[in-house]
Parts: sequence; structure tokens; C-alpha cells
Amino acid sequence: QLQLQESGPGLVKPSETLSLTCTVSGGSMSSSSYYWGWLRQPPGKGLEWIGSINYSGITYFNPSLKSRVSISVGRSKNQFSLKLNSVTAADTAVYYCARVDIAELPSSAFDIWGQGTMVTVSS
Amino acid sequence: QSVLTQPPSASGTPGQRVTISCSGSSSDIGSNTVNWYQQLPGTAPRLLIYTNNQRPSGVPDRFSGSKSGTSASLAISGLQSEDDAYYYCATWDDSLNSVVFGGGTELTVL
Repeated sequence: QLQLQESGPGLVKPSETLSLTCTVSGGSMSSSSYYWGWLRQPPGKGLEWIGSINYSGITYFNPSLKSRVSISVGRSKNQFSLKLNSVTAADTAVYYCARVDIAELPSSAFDIWGQGTMVTVSS
Repeated sequence: QSVLTQPPSASGTPGQRVTISCSGSSSDIGSNTVNWYQQLPGTAPRLLIYTNNQRPSGVPDRFSGSKSGTSASLAISGLQSEDDAYYYCATWDDSLNSVVFGGGTELTVL
């Protein structure tokens, strides 16, 4: 059974870079049927898509975050990572990684989610 | 302000049927398929409906989705206490070139 798990610092200082990793277990990231995505949810608010990547490294991003975001596939090939630079308090949120079902592209079908990790931006 | 418009709240009693609407435009719902998510308190969202009206394995057939023009709906029949959750619609927006979500609807089972 495929599982996703986010990891990374829970506290980031303003203007610094937020870095998170998603580890995929119980299956492979290499299927061409899926992309892998990052989303976030500020406390008490709704969901926001950050960006998605496929196994070959093809990415697409939320235009509102694109200038500050990078997503990459890890060397181990069962991990993918998020970097968000120049963070502010507005970037405080629960960050989720998820598998994207790409029966059609582009896709908003996130069918398997990690449990989420809270990241607070504060000095 | 979310691109897709959902009512902030909905409610029903056990056994009732409730519907949650999701309103968009020609560049989002009007051009792309809609997915629905359920988020129980303190947990990650769960894909409930994909491609407008398909249920992933394990989702009860009490949940159904539909789409017409620039709007979509999620219907829950035979309401149960465990359906008490937030529900979000999502789709792709061709103008924004982005995945967009509704603001979420808090469903209360009375």
C-alpha cells in the first residue's frame, strides 16, 4: 500500500528557505501514470496547490508561487522535495505531499496524501 | 477569495440527503473535470469523487458527484455522523494555469 510522508523543519525564519521532503514507500514513483504534488493549508483556511512533478522531472507550478518555488525528484528516486524561498508569515501552513492521478493532464486529482507537516514562519 | 464558490456551511440530520454546490466559470469547471475532497478534523484530505462523478475504491456509493456547465455538485445520501467534515471541490483553471479549489463547505450532521 503506497504511503507518503512529509519531513522537514517545523520552524523557518522569515526571508529564509522552507525545505521539505516527501518519502514514498510501498510502491514506486516511476510510473508514468502519476505526478507528485505539494499542497498547503494555512491554519483555519482552505487548500492551495503549490506545484507538481513527474518522475522525469517535468514540473508545473501555481503561478502565484512560481517565482519562489522549486520541486525536484530526489537521488534515491523514492523522494521528491519542495523548496520555497523568501518565506513570510503568510507561508505558515500545513504542507501536504500527494500523488496526482494524471488520467488527464493537467490534473487536480490528488488520490493519495501524506499526513501533512506544520511549518511555522517566525523569528 | 477562492476561484470556485462553495457555501461555507451545510447541515442535515442522519439519513437525510444533502447537496453541496461548487460554482465556477467557463475557464475552470466549464472546461475541465471536477474532483471532490473530504477532510475530517485534524486529518489530510481524502479524494472522494474524481472526474466529476467517479468514486475511488472504498468510497461508499452514498457519495455522488455531478457537473453541468460551470457548476458541480456533491450529493450525500443516507447522511451519517461520520460524514461530519469539510468538503472541497477542485479543478484546473485554463486562464490561471493552475489547480484551483473551492473555499470549502463545513458539513454538520445534526
